[in-house]
Amino acid sequence: SQQGEEDPQALSIQEGENATMNCSYKTSINNLQWYRQNSGRGLVHLILIRSNEREKHSGRLRVTLDTSKKSSSLLITASRAADTASYFCATDAPGAGSYQLTFGKGTKLSVIP
Amino acid sequence: KAGVTQTPRYLIKTRGQQVTLSCSPISGHRSVSWYQQTPGQGLQFLFEYFSETQRNKGNFPGRFSGRQFSNSRSEMNVSTLELGDSALYLCASSPPQGANEQFFGPGTRLTVL
Repeated sequence: SQQGEEDPQALSIQEGENATMNCSYKTSINNLQWYRQNSGRGLVHLILIRSNEREKHSGRLRVTLDTSKKSSSLLITASRAADTASYFCATDAPGAGSYQLTFGKGTKLSVIP
Repeated sequence: KAGVTQTPRYLIKTRGQQVTLSCSPISGHRSVSWYQQTPGQGLQFLFEYFSETQRNKGNFPGRFSGRQFSNSRSEMNVSTLELGDSALYLCASSPPQGANEQFFGPGTRLTVL
């Protein structure tokens, strides 16, 4: 079953704009991660945020985590055409084993040049 | 370091046949996880191996099995293929310590006719 649900399912923006994607999950987590997938290829790890962290930055990426609302957001600033991809959040739950990830269905981002 | 490799990249089989997919993790990574990705169900966890032992298993029928060798390479097998097994099968490896991010291979695209 899917733990995370991304919102929106699809997002289309102009190059240079910011893109925000949201993820909600249902049960307690150890960590929440964001991955990117280009058109049916392998996933690329973007960023990991631990359950005791509230915000994390990596380059043009900013992730927030609100465990009270069981939600996270991924912000991509100054988007580029190369950011066009599907973005997934993934969680690992306490006791489930850290290497078992539960993914949401993803947000498909299109960045128009 | 070389990334996660998966072979073959594409495979076409017919119903009732069996298939074996192979995954070579990043050197030094001892954990290998497998995921199935379909348009309908998204990314779903199949199983995870660590030091030749299955540590976690997802909710898949017994037709799906796997193993890991002493060099951490892993194989997964699907017997008695069904049309619904058509999917992208992704393998991921994780470093032995520290953060829980997973490094994914490019996947094997399986088509069952």
